[in-house]
This record gives sequence, structure tokens and C-alpha cells, in this order.
Amino acid sequence: EADIYQTPRYLVIGTGKKITLECSQTMGHDKMYWYQQDPGMELHLIHYSYGVNSTEKGDLSSESTVSRIRTEHFPLTLESARPSHTSQYLCASSLGTTGTRGETQYFGPGTRLLVL
Amino acid sequence: GENVEQHPSTLSVQEGDSAVIKCTYSDSASNYFPWYKQELGKRPQLIIDIRSNVGEKKDQRIAVTLNKTAKHFSLHITETQPEDSAVYFCAASILGGSARQLTFGSGTQLTVLP
Repeated sequence: EADIYQTPRYLVIGTGKKITLECSQTMGHDKMYWYQQDPGMELHLIHYSYGVNSTEKGDLSSESTVSRIRTEHFPLTLESARPSHTSQYLCASSLGTTGTRGETQYFGPGTRLLVL
Repeated sequence: GENVEQHPSTLSVQEGDSAVIKCTYSDSASNYFPWYKQELGKRPQLIIDIRSNVGEKKDQRIAVTLNKTAKHFSLHITETQPEDSAVYFCAASILGGSARQLTFGSGTQLTVLP
């Protein structure tokens, strides 16, 4: 079934550890996004990608990095996790074509990160 | 860049009453305005959208209105039900633009009281 997947769903980790949050979509979408969201609060765009080898920083300053080596895969990496990184991270994708259908963003289930 | 403001941040209504959430945007070039619903512990999902060439769109109990001149748009939910309780996000973008697409509002927590 075409969907967008995120792993892990929950992660508890100590300060200073390196972590990678995985995001994959099987919908053939060109554009992908990472948002940081405290539960029920505002969505903050931290990274986005127009396609393979294209990545941009979003509105919220983030110490994370992303890569887009394959169309379907958009992992987010924190080199050294800190308690301030504790949050929920949502991955999303969109078709990227013109028209309203191309603009609709489909979200993954999210990764809840707790840094101790 | 685009800036979207959303009000109110929280809204409580009695079951069966109507709910209205309002958003304003800053970029007059924006021409696409979707609304997303996020239930507790779940992912945001598109519920309705509108393009700037129409003033109103309706889908059963949900409607969205757009005032291009004033640069604001609203979500209207009639005959509210407990399952309408969620956080609602408005957004704005330029269709086919080179920008990074949607700019989201800050969200409205809607609670429908039984």
C-alpha cells in the first residue's frame, strides 16, 4: 500500500548520541519535508527537498542534517542529541506537480524523541 | 516570505453547534489554502482546500470561505460532533511556485463538548 513510513516511532536516547530518523515513502512523490512538532502545537519546517540531491533548510533553525540520495528516502540525522531536541518529528511528502493535487502533503506517523 | 496567522488557538463548542476558525495570510500571490486536521496522537490529514478562483467550497458539514481582498480564509464546521475534536491547521501556498510550498498557521485546538 502506498504510504509514508517513519522509524523508529519512539526513541529514548542519552545526550551526545548520534541518531538517524528514517523516512520512506512509496507514493512516488518528488518533494519531502521534515517538521518538528511538540504534541498538538505548531508545525515547524526544519528541512525540505525538491528531489534527489536537493535539500534546503526550513524556517526553524535546526542542528540536524538531511540527505536525499534516493527519491523514496529522506533520513534526518542529529550528530549529537541534546535534551532541547526532545520533540516529535513528522516527515511528509507531496507529488510536487502543479495543481492542488500536487500540493497536498501526506504525513508520516511521526517519531517521538526523548533525549535524557 | 508568507506569514499565516490563525485564531483562535483554542475553541470549545457544544455538540451540535457550529465552529469557525480564521486565518489571515500576508502574501497576495498565495492562491491555494488547505486545511489539515490532526487528531490526538495521529498525523495531520487534509480535510478540505480552496483555490483563490473560488470564494467558498463545501464538503458535507465542512466549508471554507476565502476573501482575497482582505487576505483571510475561514473553516466552518456545522453540527459539530465529538469526533471533530482535534487540532486544525490552515496553510497557504502558491500553486506551481518555486517556494517550499505550504506555510502553516499555528493551529487551533477544537474541543466539542458532549
